[in-house]
Amino acid sequence: DTAVSQTPKYLVTQMGNDKSIKCEQNLGHDTMYWYKQDSKKFLKIMFSYNNKELIINETVPNRFSPKSPDKAHLNLHINSLELGDSAVYFCASSQGLAGEGEQYFGPGTRLTVT
Amino acid sequence: GESVGLHLPTLSVQEGDNSIINCAYSNSASDYFIWYKQESGKGPQFIIDIRSNMDKRQGQRVTVLLNKTVKHLSLQIAATQPGDSAVYFCAENRYAGGTSYGKLTFGQGTILTVHP
Repeated sequence: DTAVSQTPKYLVTQMGNDKSIKCEQNLGHDTMYWYKQDSKKFLKIMFSYNNKELIINETVPNRFSPKSPDKAHLNLHINSLELGDSAVYFCASSQGLAGEGEQYFGPGTRLTVT
Repeated sequence: GESVGLHLPTLSVQEGDNSIINCAYSNSASDYFIWYKQESGKGPQFIIDIRSNMDKRQGQRVTVLLNKTVKHLSLQIAATQPGDSAVYFCAENRYAGGTSYGKLTFGQGTILTVHP
């Protein structure tokens, strides 16, 4: 059984388009995250939600809007896509909200903006 | 600025050798550290963690050492196997000033290649 799943796995789109990435976890965790990994493998947190409430919002452009309809889902919507948005986006979840303990990562969504 | 970084971006070893991956951190307020392994095309996978009140922790074939004096973290992998080939990240956690939540800051990553 997949613990943290993301769709789609690959996403190719043109500049200016709007796209969404979906994430679901079946671990019963309270906290979910979005990370961005650039071409140099640098992994940086974007958002964190705990029980549908936003608790971490790093300096991410407001073109990125996370939405958590319930604690098992955290979707990421991106408006007006730019070339610099090309990256691999990872969803993750954990039981606590303190940043401690294991975070379970999804397989990633490779976004390519042309 | 405050950051977590790695001394060596790549490490090549022979199968059966021991591997040591290093990480330097600059934030003395960090109180929790984690090592993750990321295989090609997959998400990071937890390996081992350590709190700042410890200086050593062992898992299966892995040992993490923490030297708070010089702000250094290392991951030792015993009897390295080809399946250990991956990118390894250290990450630090720090509570955000009085809040109940922390966030992980990841280092750059070290590419470990194990030759048969």
